[in-house]
This record gives sequence, structure tokens and C-alpha cells, in this order.
Amino acid sequence: NFMLTQPHSVSTSPGMTATISCTRSSGNIANSYVQWFQQRPGSVPNIVIFEDDERPSGVPDRFSGSIDSSSNSASLTISRLQTEDEADYYCQSYDNNTWVFGGGTKLTVL
Amino acid sequence: QVHLVESGGGVVQPERSLRLSCAASGFDFSTYGMHWVRQAPGKGLEWVAVIRFDGSNKYYADSVKGRFTISRDNSKNILYLQMSSLRAEDTAVYYCARAGGTSWPDFDYWGQGTLVTVSS
Repeated sequence: NFMLTQPHSVSTSPGMTATISCTRSSGNIANSYVQWFQQRPGSVPNIVIFEDDERPSGVPDRFSGSIDSSSNSASLTISRLQTEDEADYYCQSYDNNTWVFGGGTKLTVL
Repeated sequence: QVHLVESGGGVVQPERSLRLSCAASGFDFSTYGMHWVRQAPGKGLEWVAVIRFDGSNKYYADSVKGRFTISRDNSKNILYLQMSSLRAEDTAVYYCARAGGTSWPDFDYWGQGTLVTVSS
């Protein structure tokens, strides 16, 4: 089985852009869709990106996703940061009947 | 709207068993696969198990294989997780979540979770 590795934390300021990476340990990142979830403190995870780069309805267009086969990684980019974006973010993918979450990244907006 | 409500959590001694339930409403439960995902206190998300819409296929994380059993009752719109030989490291909030399909993503809806504490 593969692992998804994320930075433990990312810190930036309101109005700026944050990028969170998610590196797949084995197998091609492009072989299975990557999804991203936001989890605010005390709340349930909420999907913000699906199928690598698609946004569910209701998610602001400040959120975008991408994959990079050269680094075997996915990225979540949040532009025009707001304090409400402060949360834990998890990437997730799938392979061979196994669903895998990354370890999570704590985004601090201050 | 889609509503998932977990129940059955609590404090249980090591090596004992516990059954979690997830009551579903607001969608055609019998046409959706379902997942269980857990989150240990202060830790990240860990996928636990999945069951196909008709119960025909079930898959488990290595950490729970042989100890946990996922099942469903489509007549009652309820998903179950039977947990046995519980260990301290199984302590977590357990969430049920909807599985994806051809036109909708995995984990698009989650329940509020139920806390399982394994302690003597």
C-alpha cells in the first residue's frame, strides 16, 4: 500500500496564498483521483476538492487542486486567504481497494 | 437532505467487542457504498472499511482486518461496524461516510461521529 505525505503545518497571512502538498510514496499519482478535505476544529471533514481539481458546489473558487506527475504529488492552493480558512486539510486517494488519507496539514492564517 | 447519524460508541475494555451503527436518510441508501473512517484524539483521519451498495464486497484497512466487520441492512437504511478484540489504539471518533460512484465523489457526506474509548 502507498502513503500520502503532507507537511505538518503551513502558516501564512490573510490575503496571501497557501499551497499544501501531498506526495504519494509509490504508484503514480495520476492513476487515482486525489481529493482534499477541510476540517475545522471540532467539526466534521468537508470535501473541498474532488477528482484532482474539481470543486463541489458551495466551495469558493479560491480553492483549487492540481497534480504533478513529475513529483508524484498533488497540491491544494487557497488564494486570498481568510481567517475562516484556518483548519486542518487532508488529501486522500485510492488504490487496489484501499483508501488512504494523508497525515493532515494544519493551516494557520495570522 | 443527506443525513448520517452514528451511534453505539462508548467506553469498552480491551479485548471486548462493540457494534457501531450509522442511520442514513435523505438519499437512496441501497444504491450507495458506505465507508467507516476513524480519527484518534488529536490525530488524522484513517480509513477503516468500505462496503458496496449491496453488501457484496467489503474491504478493510490492515489495522482492523480480522477484527472488524462492516455490514449493512438496506431494509432499515443502517450501516454497521462490528468491532472485536478491541485495543487501546482503536480509541477514536468513528465516522460513517458515503462512498463515491460514477458521478459523485467518495466521502461527500459524513456523519457527526461517535467516540469509542478502549480502556480498562
